[in-house]
Amino acid sequence: QVQLQESGPGLVKPSGTLSLTCAVSGGSVSSTNWWSWVRQSPGKGLEWVGEISHAGITSYNPALKSRVTVSVDRPKNQFSLKLSSVTAADTAVYYCARATGGFDYWGQGTLVTVSS
Amino acid sequence: QPVLTQLSSGSAPLGSSVKLTCTLSSGHSSYIIAWHQQQPGKAPRFLMKLEGSGSYNKGSGVPDRFSGSSSGADRYLTISNLQSDDEADYFCETWDSSTRVFGGGTKLTVL
Repeated sequence: QVQLQESGPGLVKPSGTLSLTCAVSGGSVSSTNWWSWVRQSPGKGLEWVGEISHAGITSYNPALKSRVTVSVDRPKNQFSLKLSSVTAADTAVYYCARATGGFDYWGQGTLVTVSS
Repeated sequence: QPVLTQLSSGSAPLGSSVKLTCTLSSGHSSYIIAWHQQQPGKAPRFLMKLEGSGSYNKGSGVPDRFSGSSSGADRYLTISNLQSDDEADYFCETWDSSTRVFGGGTKLTVL
């Protein structure tokens, strides 16, 4: 059973960089999957942020592309999200997820608040 | 890119059945989708992957009460013998070579 666990600061200042890590257990980031980030603003729906493949290929939401970087750390079996120049609009619960076609495993999510 | 349309809310009595709909945009009617359940305050949970043929594959531990079907651009999630903990938001998801998109979600109330 694949398990994913997000970690990172819960508070980020405006114009700063949001950084999160997703630790993977029960599976390998080198397996044939995509490793993704999805966010959900308070009371809203789900928004795909970006992802990285087992081969290191990245794909990003066009609306966020200029600010997003997803990377992978194979020895630690984890992947990471960086979102720069954040504003209050980036306040959301951030989920990491595995995609085999669609998403089949989700992390529990972590709330990130952008505020001074 | 594909767009997914869902009704924002629905309701049905305890013990009854309900059929939720996710509609693919024009030109994308053959796409595979996934259904996810999000109970209040919890992370989404994968329910099933559903093809245009109506064939579906459910996630581990998903009860037999959950089933899928398709007709044209419409993808359906049917929940039978509704239980109180089926009260949740239900999202559909699809993808292509460059993007992933979600429907707006249907908030299901069990009466």
